[in-house]
Amino acid sequence: GENVEQHPSTLSVQEGDSAVIKCTYSDSASNYFPWYKQELGKRPQLIIDIRSNVGEKKDQRIAVTLNKTAKHFSLHITETQPEDSAVYFCAASKIGGFKTIFGAGTRLFVKA
Amino acid sequence: EADIYQTPRYLVIGTGKKITLECSQTMGHDKMYWYQQDPGMELHLIHYSYGVNSTEKGDLSSESTVSRIRTEHFPLTLESARPSHTSQYLCASSPTLSTDTQYFGPGTRLTVL
Repeated sequence: GENVEQHPSTLSVQEGDSAVIKCTYSDSASNYFPWYKQELGKRPQLIIDIRSNVGEKKDQRIAVTLNKTAKHFSLHITETQPEDSAVYFCAASKIGGFKTIFGAGTRLFVKA
Repeated sequence: EADIYQTPRYLVIGTGKKITLECSQTMGHDKMYWYQQDPGMELHLIHYSYGVNSTEKGDLSSESTVSRIRTEHFPLTLESARPSHTSQYLCASSPTLSTDTQYFGPGTRLTVL
């Protein structure tokens, strides 16, 4: 069935370093790849997304890359700050479809 | 303000009780979802709906039911609560066209004794 694998499950970095989270999807028809951030005790919220017709997208310190051939996409956070500490979920879906498949999540710790 | 709302936010009940978790959104979204999530852990899809009078089962649907009589309302019912149902329940909605971004509600934290 449809599946999204996410790695690593836990990531610890020093403040100012970069963090990279990787996801692999199985459904080649997927064309929308959002990333959600969930802070402790709060709801998941969209931080960045990318569509299949784009290879890279950047928004200040965060960027997402997509390799359609390999069915990989990654989240890059540069100059990490303690407030980046959260659980990050990748996801894949077909725009106009019905289900979004989420990865299992990555718990990011940024040490001051 | 357009948003998605869930009530109650916290609920403690005894085993065997029937409960309904409420979810409403004022964004005019056609698609709505229920997820079960232990704090900070994986999101498990319970049910989803792509419009009025349409509902579909997700991965964890066997012990619950949903209804979608109005676009803005998508309640989840547990017929007989068990301690294994103790978790957080997140409702979400998404527009039909142009994007699949999901907007999550604040969640209901359920404890079954």
